[in-house]
Amino acid sequence: GEDVEQSLFLSVREGDSSVINCTYTDSSSTYLYWYKQEPGAGLQLLTYIFSNMDMKQDQRLTVLLNKKDKHLSLRIADTQTGDSAIYFCAESTDAGNNRKLIWGLGTSLAVNP
Amino acid sequence: EPEVTQTPSHQVTQMGQEVILRCVPISNHLYFYWYRQILGQKVEFLVSFYNNEISEKSEIFDDQFSVERPDGSNFTLKIRSTKLEDSAMYFCASSNGVADTQYFGPGTRLTVL
Repeated sequence: GEDVEQSLFLSVREGDSSVINCTYTDSSSTYLYWYKQEPGAGLQLLTYIFSNMDMKQDQRLTVLLNKKDKHLSLRIADTQTGDSAIYFCAESTDAGNNRKLIWGLGTSLAVNP
Repeated sequence: EPEVTQTPSHQVTQMGQEVILRCVPISNHLYFYWYRQILGQKVEFLVSFYNNEISEKSEIFDDQFSVERPDGSNFTLKIRSTKLEDSAMYFCASSNGVADTQYFGPGTRLTVL
């Protein structure tokens, strides 16, 4: 079945770049997403990439997609303490009137001053 | 900016009781979803809803669960007879089109005692 895997923890120093990695199994994935969850809060969409793209940049965020290896990464430039959160990778496939998301377990990012 | 809202933020109930979790999706959205996140586990898809009917449901979504859009704004998840293992954070999401990004509410934390 479909599966999404992420490393559980990442610790960086403020000002450094963070790279969060994700792998997925479903080769028919059409969209791949990054969501952010701050403590006690909901799931906030950060960015997404369509499967026919290999890179997307949005301010400090860069998403890289290697479709051959089914590998997705999120790079956060100049990481700030406010970026400390759990980052979820999720994928969806085109399935008629439904586009359920399959989620990774989340990567907990700790940013140290 | 429009957002998905959910009430209550926290619900405590006794095992065997019925609960109704409420969501108000973004007003022009047509596709609605429920997900849940058991503590320490992945976010799991429960059900998707479009055009006043269920589009897809997961194995978790058994006869104890039901969804309804009782009016033009609310989308509810009912659990008829709660079990201890139903304790989780329940997230509602909506999207404008089936291929569009899902926007999530802040979640309802359900605790079954």
